[in-house]
Amino acid sequence: DAGVIQSPRHEVTEMGQEVTLRCKPISGHNSLFWYRQTMMRGLELLIYFNNNVPIDDSGMPEDRFSAKMPNASFSTLKIQPSEPRDSAVYFCASSLVRGAGELFFGEGSRLTVL
Amino acid sequence: GQSLEQPSEVTAVEGAIVQINCTYQTSGFYGLSWYQQHDGGAPTFLSYNALDGLEETGRFSSFLSRSDSYGYLLLQELQMKDSASYFCAPYNQGGKLIFGQGTELSVKP
Repeated sequence: DAGVIQSPRHEVTEMGQEVTLRCKPISGHNSLFWYRQTMMRGLELLIYFNNNVPIDDSGMPEDRFSAKMPNASFSTLKIQPSEPRDSAVYFCASSLVRGAGELFFGEGSRLTVL
Repeated sequence: GQSLEQPSEVTAVEGAIVQINCTYQTSGFYGLSWYQQHDGGAPTFLSYNALDGLEETGRFSSFLSRSDSYGYLLLQELQMKDSASYFCAPYNQGGKLIFGQGTELSVKP
């Protein structure tokens, strides 16, 4: 199994630009999570989906952030417009619903907004 | 509301035993997971406790007391490669997993 695949691995952009992060979960997994990690705030849950349906987006910082899961094998996290404080590592993770707390994480997308 | 507390840093020597404590508060609690993250890497799953008591997996053990909203991760026979951040993560109804700041473990020779 290829594991959770995220792209891009690194992104450097300028303030005001749109950023799109992509995630392909493990085949057969039906829950997908987006996390953001910074030194100050640790690993924060932004949003998660069960069976492609957003269940809880209370962690999304503001309207500039949006996430979609059009099918079971693909999800995007979009930031528009981006700001320097969005600089972080964004992780995507997948699991089985009721998967006993075991998430499988991708390698992350490191975003730097100048 | 939700809260999660674990020490920010722990230092120990090779071969020693270290315990990382975690207290949590969350609604719809199902169980407690533990994850390891090396610098620059992705978090990886270590263990999950749904019931009270101790779960052992090789050198690592994890404990849960649901009545005390408390758990710990016990690492035995520490090795240099165990230097990493360790996260406890309550798992709740609906499959939501909440992480916090984690505990940075430094293993010295």
